[in-house]
Amino acid sequence: KNEVEQSPQNLTAQEGEFITINCSYSVGISALHWLQQHPGGGIVSLFMLSSGKKKHGRLIATINIQEKHSSLHITASHPRDSAVYICAVRGETSGSRLTFGEGTQLTVNP
Amino acid sequence: NAGVMQNPRHLVRRRGQEARLRCSPMKGHSHVYWYRQLPEEGLKFMVYLQKENIIDESGMPKERFSAEFPKEGPSILRIQQVVRGDSAAYFCASSLFRGPNEKLFFGSGTQLSVL
Repeated sequence: KNEVEQSPQNLTAQEGEFITINCSYSVGISALHWLQQHPGGGIVSLFMLSSGKKKHGRLIATINIQEKHSSLHITASHPRDSAVYICAVRGETSGSRLTFGEGTQLTVNP
Repeated sequence: NAGVMQNPRHLVRRRGQEARLRCSPMKGHSHVYWYRQLPEEGLKFMVYLQKENIIDESGMPKERFSAEFPKEGPSILRIQQVVRGDSAAYFCASSLFRGPNEKLFFGSGTQLSVL
């Protein structure tokens, strides 16, 4: 079992739909990152969370430390949101290492 | 303020050759991380460097791989005697500081293909 599990692996949505991507992890963490990787390969850091909730535009990220679970929500999805979304955690005892989930491939159709 | 710059974007090497991947962090950033993404796999941590020092290389293969971040110039990930299994996308990221609120900025990656 991977330390970081994401679901779903693949997600197809219609433009305008509300999207949720989930991330579960099995270790105590000091921080959790949500990343976006575009088809060209470039990676953008969306959020870094250690507790609670953060919002940026149409993106919302939440984390429940007790349940070892985080969600990334996209409201009013758009085709340009199509990308791979990656959850990564920094373990409490892993120093500088990030452990990554396998990613969720999101496709938003017009 | 340019972002994290990686070059080359694509690198083709034959088995046995050396590959040198460069990463220029964002201006003022002294923390650099290298990650590898094998085909159809997730990202994996390789090494964390702070100017002139290797802080954590626990994700680096024991042989053929080395990394440096000199006082002047970019960080270099060096792979000697490349093999087909080294074919992957190599990403670097930089940050201004380490800590709970550390924000990472990623480069566009170098796609290494070993023939």
